[in-house]
Amino acid sequence: DTAVSQTPKYLVTQMGNDKSIKCEQNLGHDTMYWYKQDSKKFLKIMFSYNNKELIINETVPNRFSPKSPDKAHLNLHINSLELGDSAVYFCASSQRGLAIADTQYFGPGTRLTVL
Amino acid sequence: QKEVEQDPGPLSVPEGAIVSLNCTYSNSAFQYFMWYRQYSRKGPELLMYTYSSGNKEDGRFTAQVDKSSKYISLFIRDSQPSDSATYLCAMSAPGANNLFFGTGTRLTVIP
Repeated sequence: DTAVSQTPKYLVTQMGNDKSIKCEQNLGHDTMYWYKQDSKKFLKIMFSYNNKELIINETVPNRFSPKSPDKAHLNLHINSLELGDSAVYFCASSQRGLAIADTQYFGPGTRLTVL
Repeated sequence: QKEVEQDPGPLSVPEGAIVSLNCTYSNSAFQYFMWYRQYSRKGPELLMYTYSSGNKEDGRFTAQVDKSSKYISLFIRDSQPSDSATYLCAMSAPGANNLFFGTGTRLTVIP
């Protein structure tokens, strides 16, 4: 059974388009995250949600918006895609939250390419 | 200055070698230190977790934290080809809702 799943695995799109990436976790965790990993493998946290409440919002453009319909899902919407958005986006979840550095479980990643 | 610095490598070693991976950091408030392993085209997975200073051993893996030097290490003994992956250090401060990753070191163990 896949603990943290993401769809799609690959996403190729044109500049200016709007796209969404979906994430689901079946671990019963309270907190979910989105990370961006650039071409140099640098992994940076973008958002986290705890019980439907956004508790971190790093300095990401407001073209990115997380949406959590329930505790098991955290989707990422991206408007007006730009070339610099090309990266691998990882979803993750943890039982509690970052404040106590709880173990995070990562999804397989979504490789986004903006042309 | 980045919060966490890590040599990106790549690092190639023969099977059976001892591998040393390192990170330095600037924030003295960091207390939680982690090592994640990421195989190609997969998500990171937690390998080792250490709180504050000291050593922690798990099988062939040993994590060390030297807070006085702001330096952490991961040692892999008797390295295997299956250890070939990118190793990312990560760290955070108590109550600080953020986790800082290093850029990762790509390791290849040659049979």
